[in-house]
Amino acid sequence: DSGVTQTPKHLITATGQRVTLRCSPRSGDLSVYWYQQSLDQGLQFLIQYYNGEERAKGNILERFSAQQFPDLHSELNLSSLELGDSALYFCASSQGGNTIYFGEGSWLTVV
Amino acid sequence: QQQVKQSPQSLIVQKGGIPIINCAYENTAFDYFPWYQQFPGKGPALLIAIRPDVSEKKEGRFTISFNKSAKQFSLHIMDSQPGDSATYFCAASSSSGGSNYKLTFGKGTLLTVNP
Repeated sequence: DSGVTQTPKHLITATGQRVTLRCSPRSGDLSVYWYQQSLDQGLQFLIQYYNGEERAKGNILERFSAQQFPDLHSELNLSSLELGDSALYFCASSQGGNTIYFGEGSWLTVV
Repeated sequence: QQQVKQSPQSLIVQKGGIPIINCAYENTAFDYFPWYQQFPGKGPALLIAIRPDVSEKKEGRFTISFNKSAKQFSLHIMDSQPGDSATYFCAASSSSGGSNYKLTFGKGTLLTVNP
């Protein structure tokens, strides 16, 4: 158990809908990362927050957004969902350095 | 642009064998190279990591070899066991981005260890 908690574990939704994925980082970790894992693209970095502020953006679509709250939990919002958005979404956290721990992921299926 | 190239895509070994997974990187700013192990339905778990100031690091049955001049690093699993069957990812990150240590991952290697 990495200590990073993600909810929900599984989610099935229809195209065009919006979902929110939630992440609680390890106790004391200030940095939260979001990754998308799909069979063809592998693990792709989406976005990073550090102590409430956005620090880096990767291959995140404009339909996706994220935030980190004062209690350090983070949410990833996915809107206008398309079939191609079906993937595993991972949250990861670190104290601020290189050592990054991943949660178990949220499996999103868009039908 | 794939910044971290991983090979092979899949690997089958017998129990007790020594699977070797290789990675090559392009970005010379990378200064931290972890390996993650992922079982089906689980998140990637940090296995072992190395920095470029050393050429080898061992933790239990897992060894990372690092060649800075060739920009390559590899994972060796000694005395492999069926329980090691998983997908292994190499990754790299840079310390030069302030508090941003985002990992760039290889595509992964599916390892099967037969009993």
